[in-house]
Amino acid sequence: DAGVIQSPRHEVTEMGQEVTLRCKPISGHDYLFWYRQTMMRGLELLIYFNNNVPIDDSGMPEDRFSAKMPNASFSTLKIQPSEPRDSAVYFCASSSWRRRGANTEAFFGQGTRLTVV
Amino acid sequence: RKEVEQDPGPFNVPEGATVAFNCTYSNSASQSFFWYRQDCRKEPKLLMSVYSSGNEDGRFTAQLNRASQYISLLIRDSKLSDSATYLCVVFSGGYNKLIFGAGTRLAVHP
Repeated sequence: DAGVIQSPRHEVTEMGQEVTLRCKPISGHDYLFWYRQTMMRGLELLIYFNNNVPIDDSGMPEDRFSAKMPNASFSTLKIQPSEPRDSAVYFCASSSWRRRGANTEAFFGQGTRLTVV
Repeated sequence: RKEVEQDPGPFNVPEGATVAFNCTYSNSASQSFFWYRQDCRKEPKLLMSVYSSGNEDGRFTAQLNRASQYISLLIRDSKLSDSATYLCVVFSGGYNKLIFGAGTRLAVHP
């Protein structure tokens, strides 16, 4: 398996533009997580899905952020309109649920480094 | 109070030293615990799972104390290559929310 795949790896955009980040989880994983990492705030959980259904989006900073998971192999995180304070590294991770009642470890993509100027 | 708390460090230690990190979590229903390592400008990667009975992997030992709700990581005989940020990770409660601590920075010097 190729692991979690994110695209693009780097994105530079102007303030006000729409940004779409993409993620392909590991095949067979039923949990998908979106994180944002900055020096100031560390790794923040934005939203996560279980079986393609959003479970908790309380970490999404505001209405400018939205995430979808139309099927088990693809998710997007969209920012519209983007602002300079959105500049960060955005990670996607996937995991699976074990029968004995615990999750496996989460595997991360390489992240998307977003710069909004 | 944050769901998962760690001392951010940095811990500056000489090669060969033993260093320990602690992490506390607030949700007593948490079920799965891990330590991750993150190198500069890279994604977090699993270092080791943390089991109730404690577990060891070479120079690394992880412990879980459910009564006090903390997790520890012990690194013996530190190497220069151990320099990184160590993240405490908890699957929280019935919703399987994956929560990261802020990370503890370790710098091992010659």
